Amino acid sequence: QSALTQPPSASGSPGQSVTISCTGTNSDIGGYSYVSWYQQHPGKAPKLMIYEVTKRPSGVPDRFSGSKSGNTASLTVSGLQAEDEADYHCSSYAGSDNPYVVFGGGTKLTVL
Amino acid sequence: EVQLVESGGGLVQPGGSLRLSCAVSEFTVSSNYISWVRQAPGKGLEWVSVIFSDGSTYYADSVKGRLTISRDISKNTVYLQMNSLRAEDTALYYCARAGTVGVRAFDIWGQGTMVTVSS
Repeated sequence: QSALTQPPSASGSPGQSVTISCTGTNSDIGGYSYVSWYQQHPGKAPKLMIYEVTKRPSGVPDRFSGSKSGNTASLTVSGLQAEDEADYHCSSYAGSDNPYVVFGGGTKLTVL
Repeated sequence: EVQLVESGGGLVQPGGSLRLSCAVSEFTVSSNYISWVRQAPGKGLEWVSVIFSDGSTYYADSVKGRLTISRDISKNTVYLQMNSLRAEDTALYYCARAGTVGVRAFDIWGQGTMVTVSS
């Protein structure tokens, strides 16, 4: 069982927006602004899409955005495109007495 | 090109040992944090271990005492020595760079090396 909770699946049609949630506790997501999101296509390594809740690495389209409210972080993908179909994983810092990071179980995003 | 390349995976019997390697290019292991993250078949990601630039190391509770992370600065390579392997260690093992982009974010990943623990 993963430390962070994500829905197993999400879907949307091309051009639409979809939001994926990632729920933790006061000890991880709620306590720090160190949430990251990773995109993983089948058979490929994860790719960093969002770090520190809202920041995008260079090269990541601004269609991808992150937010946090309380113990829940969210990744929103706007203007869905076929190539956005992938697994998305969230992670969070959980304090110096805990694992380096904790991950969610991943969400399979399907573009209908 | 900035990259990490893993090797050393394979099939091993329960209780056996394996050493994974993570060869780094275009940046130095001595100045960066390198982590191992694993993914069991069909499952999510699980953080395993990290070695910081000062050489300090940390482990997930699930592997503490059985897995050891180390580095060879002259070879610019990070290793994961895996002993007393269990079926639940079966996974694709990735090495990843952390601490360069944001806090606790992994910005560069290798392609992974598969470890299968089975009799």
